[in-house]
Parts: sequence; structure tokens; C-alpha cells
Amino acid sequence: EDQVTQSPEALRLQEGESSSLNCSYTVSGLRGLFWYRQDPGKGPEFLFTLYSAGEEKEKERLKATLTKKESFLHITAPKPEDSATYLCAVPGDYKLSFGAGTTVTVRA
Amino acid sequence: DSGVTQTPKHLITATGQRVTLRCSPRSGDLSVYWYQQSLDQGLQFLIQYYNGEERAKGNILERFSAQQFPDLHSELNLSSLELGDSALYFCASSVGTGAGGGNIQYFGAGTRLSVL
Repeated sequence: EDQVTQSPEALRLQEGESSSLNCSYTVSGLRGLFWYRQDPGKGPEFLFTLYSAGEEKEKERLKATLTKKESFLHITAPKPEDSATYLCAVPGDYKLSFGAGTTVTVRA
Repeated sequence: DSGVTQTPKHLITATGQRVTLRCSPRSGDLSVYWYQQSLDQGLQFLIQYYNGEERAKGNILERFSAQQFPDLHSELNLSSLELGDSALYFCASSVGTGAGGGNIQYFGAGTRLSVL
């Protein structure tokens, strides 16, 4: 069964302090990797899909990268509004298998 | 706004009761997925429907059932509720079936179920 592990569980950053989140996965055959953002009490919001090792995608202060075994979500010069839980997921035949998420708190 | 609508937003009920959660997918999406999110379990896949037909089941309890109607909206029925069923229930929709990288799932805002 597909396995997704995210680290760290929680990350507290000062505004402007860049950092990275890790998502490692074990799948029988990678068919893409998804990143979502989830605010408290809300549904996951789609951010990126990565398909192959070496691929990178950017959106505002977020950049996602993919290797054969893991993905990183880099947050550059974060702002308080970047505070959220970031989830990564891998697709199986029908479902998405999610990691437990990294909760990011950015202090002003 | 993802375009996926879930009602109600909150539901408070007692043990042993039965509830129905409703989901309207994004316009044009044929697949509907149901997920459960609890503090200790994270997001867990329950069931998927594609164009009215059940396509996949996850760890869905026998007390839970779902269906997708001709207008593509879906309902998740939870019966004989227990305290442990308290969780956030999310619906997601996508254009196609299968969970490959090209078939992005968009999530609704969820229904928070509290069983007292």
C-alpha cells in the first residue's frame, strides 16, 4: 500500500524566515504527487501536481520540487497568511493517500 | 472557492442516530469522493462514485453508505452513530475516474459531525 510521510509535524517560523517541508513516499509506481494547503476547519485547497523527478512548480512564495523518493515544499520569506497545514498526497488507482501534514505557523 | 458544495456545515446529533451529508460536485465533474478526517487518523478515503456508479471503497464502515444521483450530487449516509464517528467529512470531485496525476481532486469545505 502507498505510504506518505511528512516532516516535521509542526514548524514555527518568523516572518521572512524561509524553510522547507519534506514529503517522502513509497509507491509501486508514481503517478504524480499532490500538494494541498488546509486552513483550520476548511477543506484542502489544491496547490501543485508534480509528475516526474526533477520537476519544480512555483506559486507566490511556495515552490515544490520532486525527486524519486521525496518532495519538498519550500516557503520563501513567509508571511503570516502562509500559516496553514500543508498536505502531500500520492494517487493510487482511485484514491489519494495523504500524509499527516505539516502545520506551519508564521509569526509577524 | 473550489466549486464543491457540502451541506450542512455542522451537524450535532446523538449516538444511535442516522444523518445524511450532501455534496454537489464542481460543474462538469463526474467523480465524487468522500473522505473522513479525524485528529488521530488524518484524511482517510471512504468511497468513490463515478457518473452514478460506485468505483472504489476504502475503509468505510458497514454502517456508512453513499450514493450518487443522476444529477451527480452525492449523499453519504451514516447510521447507528457512535462517539468515534465525530469527525470532519469531506467531499471531493474530479473530472475523470482514477487518481492519476492528471485527475485533480477539488475538495469542499466539509461537514463537521459531532456525535454526543
